[in-house]
Amino acid sequence: GAVVSQHPSWVICKSGTSVKIECRSLDFQATTMFWYRQFPKQSLMLMATSNEGSKATYEQGVEKDKFLINHASLTLSTLTVTSAHPEDSSFYICSARDNRGRTDTQYFGPGTRLTVL
Amino acid sequence: LAKTTQPISMDSYEGQEVNITCSHNNIATNDYITWYQQFPSQGPRFIIQGYKTKVTNEVASLFIPADRKSSTLSLPRVSLSDTAVYYCLVTSNTGKLIFGQGTTLQVKP
Repeated sequence: GAVVSQHPSWVICKSGTSVKIECRSLDFQATTMFWYRQFPKQSLMLMATSNEGSKATYEQGVEKDKFLINHASLTLSTLTVTSAHPEDSSFYICSARDNRGRTDTQYFGPGTRLTVL
Repeated sequence: LAKTTQPISMDSYEGQEVNITCSHNNIATNDYITWYQQFPSQGPRFIIQGYKTKVTNEVASLFIPADRKSSTLSLPRVSLSDTAVYYCLVTSNTGKLIFGQGTTLQVKP
């Protein structure tokens, strides 16, 4: 399957600072990427859809000014958590959509653990 | 987006075949069914995807009846390392995936 990477794999920051997480599709181009967050013992929650060259589409209840998404190239999407607070601590996971062939499959990154102190 | 329903948990023993069934009554004509595996603190890993009938790869089989309102993931001869959460998802033309609770599979020695 296709490979998606995330960087960093974990980050600890102070309250009020901003943190940027990168998501890269390594062996295919992805016009669409997705960002999820996952709290302990819970399922993944879709935050937003990132489209290359256009504005991201946010799910209901997700603050677009707090979670800035940029999809500047066909292999890179970034999520910036602005003015992070302890309640933003979570596991953030991205996925890249591979719809080159007859099927339509999302491949996920390994995730980024964010801890806000 | 079609909602999926699957058992919250299942237990099995090493060497057994495990079948996890998922219902997706509102699946649309162009939707695919995709299964993922997730270990703690890792992103979901793609297992298998299908549209109808049977699909098999090196790790699993996926059975989809003619009405496509359900699907069954079959894991042959599970081992302890197959202990994980398994998610059944329906992929629509928007590409969006809405995760349910998944099925926590516990494989015992």
